[in-house]
Amino acid sequence: DTEVTQTPKHLVMGMTNKKSLKCEQHMGHRAMYWYKQKAKKPPELMFVYSYEKLSINESVPSRFSPECPNSSLLNLHLHALQPEDSALYLCASSQVLTRSGTDTQYFGPGTRLTVL
Amino acid sequence: RKEVEQDPGPFNVPEGATVAFNCTYSNSASQSFFWYRQDCRKEPKLLMSVYSSGNEDGRFTAQLNRASQYISLLIRDSKLSDSATYLCVVTALKGGTSYGKLTFGQGTILTVHP
Repeated sequence: DTEVTQTPKHLVMGMTNKKSLKCEQHMGHRAMYWYKQKAKKPPELMFVYSYEKLSINESVPSRFSPECPNSSLLNLHLHALQPEDSALYLCASSQVLTRSGTDTQYFGPGTRLTVL
Repeated sequence: RKEVEQDPGPFNVPEGATVAFNCTYSNSASQSFFWYRQDCRKEPKLLMSVYSSGNEDGRFTAQLNRASQYISLLIRDSKLSDSATYLCVVTALKGGTSYGKLTFGQGTILTVHP
């Protein structure tokens, strides 16, 4: 089973709202990722967690705040977003992080976010 | 030069056709290579990893040429269900490590028609 789940599927929020995206996997993977994907573009890496610790932050604005409460869950807290933040937010997981990045990443279905 | 370059297409082919996608990457130290497919408004799904010896999975064959920094994907006997965007993906290295960072090509759009 290579399933990564994400909730909600769709989210509409105003620029003053606070919301959270959730991601869950039960494959025993110890590396989890957040990506952002705009229409007709490839996914862009935002954050990487390894063993529940933040490993990579790709200079993402502080209005995006990741959290990894345990090895199966990954959250992305959103606050004071801008309309240009509207995108598909994808979560992924892999077994572990390696120096060469050889582990396959499995993606969840994504949350389609619209910021009004 | 982009780190991973793909022909964006679109490729429009009839059912049963053979179609080939090409991809080049700029970092000679890249370690891992993948093809993902992404359907419209869906998540990327792993199609296959790419190995130096070449690998085949049913109608799909992937090749890697490290000397030329070139990856290919061949689809034989195309089906309507093969219509998707095909993403060439390479591990990105910085300072000799990647720690999970993938670099995606822009994707090649394939449409298979009856």
